[in-house]
Formats: sequence, C-alpha cells, structure tokens
Amino acid sequence: ETAVFQTPNYHVTQVGNEVSFNCKQTLGHDTMYWYKQDSKKLLKIMFSYNNKQLIVNETVPRRFSPQSSDKAHLNLRIKSVEPEDSAVYLCASSYWVFNQDTQYFGPGTRLLVL
Amino acid sequence: QQKVQQSPESLTVSEGAMASLNCTFSDGTSNNFRWYRQHSAKGLEVLVSIFSDGEKEEGRFTAHLNRANLHVSLHIREPQPSDSAVYLCAVKGATGGNNKLTFGQGTVLSVIP
Repeated sequence: ETAVFQTPNYHVTQVGNEVSFNCKQTLGHDTMYWYKQDSKKLLKIMFSYNNKQLIVNETVPRRFSPQSSDKAHLNLRIKSVEPEDSAVYLCASSYWVFNQDTQYFGPGTRLLVL
Repeated sequence: QQKVQQSPESLTVSEGAMASLNCTFSDGTSNNFRWYRQHSAKGLEVLVSIFSDGEKEEGRFTAHLNRANLHVSLHIREPQPSDSAVYLCAVKGATGGNNKLTFGQGTVLSVIP
C-alpha cells in the first residue's frame, strides 16, 4: 500500500525551464529524502530533511533546491533544467527504531529534458 | 567513500529454481543492509532488512550477511515470473560520510515460466 506519494508521474520539458516535483508521506516519519536514479538504475541521494532541517546535501548543482512546509512534505525544485537532469527522482521517508532506520520510497517522477 | 557492487548484472532463472544475488561493500563498519525490488516504472519495495551477521528471512526472501567478508546476499526461494524486476542492494555506514544509504547498481532478474 502506497504511503509515499509523488506528483507528477512524468514530466517532459525543455532545457532552461523550471520544474517542481511534489512528495507527501502519510507515515508520520520525521525524515524525508530525494534520490536521483539514472538510466543505469543507480540511485544517489540528493537531499534529506529531518524536521524541516536539511541534514545532507550531496553536492548537487545549485539549480536543485528542496522545499519543505512540514515534515510530511518535501518538494524538489529544479531551476533551469539541463539534459543531464533527465532521470527518475525518487522521494523516500524513514523512521528510526533501535538506532536503525528503514526507508520507504514513492513511485518516482520521471523527468525528460529535451 | 562507500562502494557497493552487485553481481551478477543480470540473472535469468526458471520458475521454481533458487535465485541468488550478491552484494559487496567497502566500509566494514556498515551496520544497516537491505534489499529492495523495483518493478518497471514503480517505486522501490523493501524486501529484507538485516543489521547483524547471519540470516534474515522474510517470506521467500532470505538475506545472508557476512561483514567480515564485506558481503551480503539475497536468495529468492521458488521465484515466480512476477518476481522479475531490478533488485537493489543498499548499505548504510555507521560513521562520517558513509552514514547514508548507498545503493548498488542493481541486478536485473528475469524469471521464466
């Protein structure tokens, strides 16, 4: 059962445009993440947010910016997209139990930059 | 920086035969390992999480962890065509820059009837 929701499912845009992706989790988790999955299926973490505080920023280009209004939402904005931004963007949330966390992923947003 | 490698890149098995996937990691202090499955155009589904050496079973999925050998594996008992997907190994280090989930490149599993 899906508890991490992402919109849109797909987005096609042109180089230079701005795009925004939304993510919402209904699990009550404190931490949310954005990952980028390239054409070879490799996932790399981009950001994580814990109680509205950015705690990881994996040296992604400045045109990427996470935006959070509360701990259930973490959106991703890309200013002036470039062709190499074409990928699947996966949102996740996690909870901690006994010093271990488990991440739950959304279905992803597939971006194609023409 | 943590390196996670999966093998094989792709695997084809017959329905009902055991499927075995491998994953090696570089940070021996890692303490959080999990296997995810990703069907085409869908999100990741966590299959098994394991935090200490030994074996962890979740239904038809069993993970084996040997931290001394920097190795974690996934065995799928009686695979079905619906198990055809990309399987991703994820490892989290305990300290410093490795204290995040690092993914392998995935193994594409095809189960033929």
